[in-house]
Amino acid sequence: GAVVSQHPSRVICKSGTSVKIECRSLDFQATTMFWYRQFPKQSLMLMATSNEGSKATYEQGVEKDKFLINHASLTLSTLTVTSAHPEDSSFYICSARSMTTPYYEQYFGPGTRLTVT
Amino acid sequence: KQEVTQIPAALSVPEGENLVLNCSFTDSAIYNLQWFRQDPGKGLTSLLLIQSSQREQTSGRLNASLDKSSGRSTLYIAASQPGDSATYLCAVIGGDSSYKLIFGSGTRLLVRP
Repeated sequence: GAVVSQHPSRVICKSGTSVKIECRSLDFQATTMFWYRQFPKQSLMLMATSNEGSKATYEQGVEKDKFLINHASLTLSTLTVTSAHPEDSSFYICSARSMTTPYYEQYFGPGTRLTVT
Repeated sequence: KQEVTQIPAALSVPEGENLVLNCSFTDSAIYNLQWFRQDPGKGLTSLLLIQSSQREQTSGRLNASLDKSSGRSTLYIAASQPGDSATYLCAVIGGDSSYKLIFGSGTRLLVRP
């Protein structure tokens, strides 16, 4: 149980275009989802927290107009990188938890590698 | 502001050695602490979760300890194997109401055959 998927696993896009990444909880209702960013050989940096049906809460320094997060259902959250630039190239990982998840544990997706050319 | 530090940043050991990875955090008011494994280009695999009221957790060859008052945790790996090669991340959930995970920078482990 507690499986989280991400789609796509890899995406290449041209500079200036937008790209959408999906995060799904497959066997539980995710009342809260998190989006992280990871640069090579660095740790995970939390970008934003989203609660189902509410606006996402962004961490300091994260541009909310550039990284659009939608959490419209209890099983799906999307991250849209708008007007992508090469510096947005990174590994994006989502996680999810439900109201009944013990110890507030988060379940992680497999990640999405974004390359902006 | 909670900060999590992991030492060493990288470690290379011969197969069969027992090893210890260290994690420290600046604010002892944590809800729990978790150790993860990450293989290159992959997501995170949860290894062990220690609640703030616990002192250790064990799973197979892995043992994680927690000393909340001193802000430290260790991950002990017994009889290391080449398949243990990965990056190990420590993360804490702070005692505030956000329940967000704060990650350390990780330890990259290489176990040589």
